[in-house]
Amino acid sequence: AQKITQTQPGMFVQEKEAVTLDCTYDTSDQSYGLFWYKQPSSGEMIFLIYQGSYDEQNATEGRYSLNFQKARKSANLVISASQLGDSAMYFCAMRVRRGEYGNKLVFGAGTILRVKS
Amino acid sequence: DAGVIQSPRHEVTEMGQEVTLRCKPISGHDYLFWYRQTMMRGLELLIYFNNNVPIDDSGMPEDRFSAKMPNASFSTLKIQPSEPRDSAVYFCASSADKISHEQYFGPGTRLTVT
Repeated sequence: AQKITQTQPGMFVQEKEAVTLDCTYDTSDQSYGLFWYKQPSSGEMIFLIYQGSYDEQNATEGRYSLNFQKARKSANLVISASQLGDSAMYFCAMRVRRGEYGNKLVFGAGTILRVKS
Repeated sequence: DAGVIQSPRHEVTEMGQEVTLRCKPISGHDYLFWYRQTMMRGLELLIYFNNNVPIDDSGMPEDRFSAKMPNASFSTLKIQPSEPRDSAVYFCASSADKISHEQYFGPGTRLTVT
């Protein structure tokens, strides 16, 4: 079964410092995708970054990077130079394709990040 | 593109009433998903459609919940009769048919059942 584990219920980081949010996943499939979403207090779900299982390079999007360690089945999100606006809930998710119709995302429980000034 | 559109944004209803939530996916997306988010259970997938056909409804809590997608640009999630434990934020999301494509979420409908 596919599963995403986020072991950090909450994290604090000082403004302008970097922070790593942990994510481990479980799947027996060879082809899969890993996603990070941000949910601020306003409630919307915002896509941040994607990593494919066959991608050799770690994904980066501005201040976001994904530390992908396939052998360890981990896909940690690194936020550099934290800003107050980064305070939010962060979800790690995995998509596994199952046959013709498999396109579900499996979400972790989320990590609440608070950036301190 | 306008993104995924959901209505209403907020709904307050009394126990026993019927509730209908609406979603318009992004044009051209093959998949549509309904999620429920609560503090206790986090983000749960209720049902998803591919090309208007329900593929997996194993997340639908019980028979009081039903979802339809009569065409590629519209879906509904109906709760009848509603109960206080149905209070949650309900998200609709859509995506294209590629493993690398993210799901685009709507703004959500905050449902309160009193």
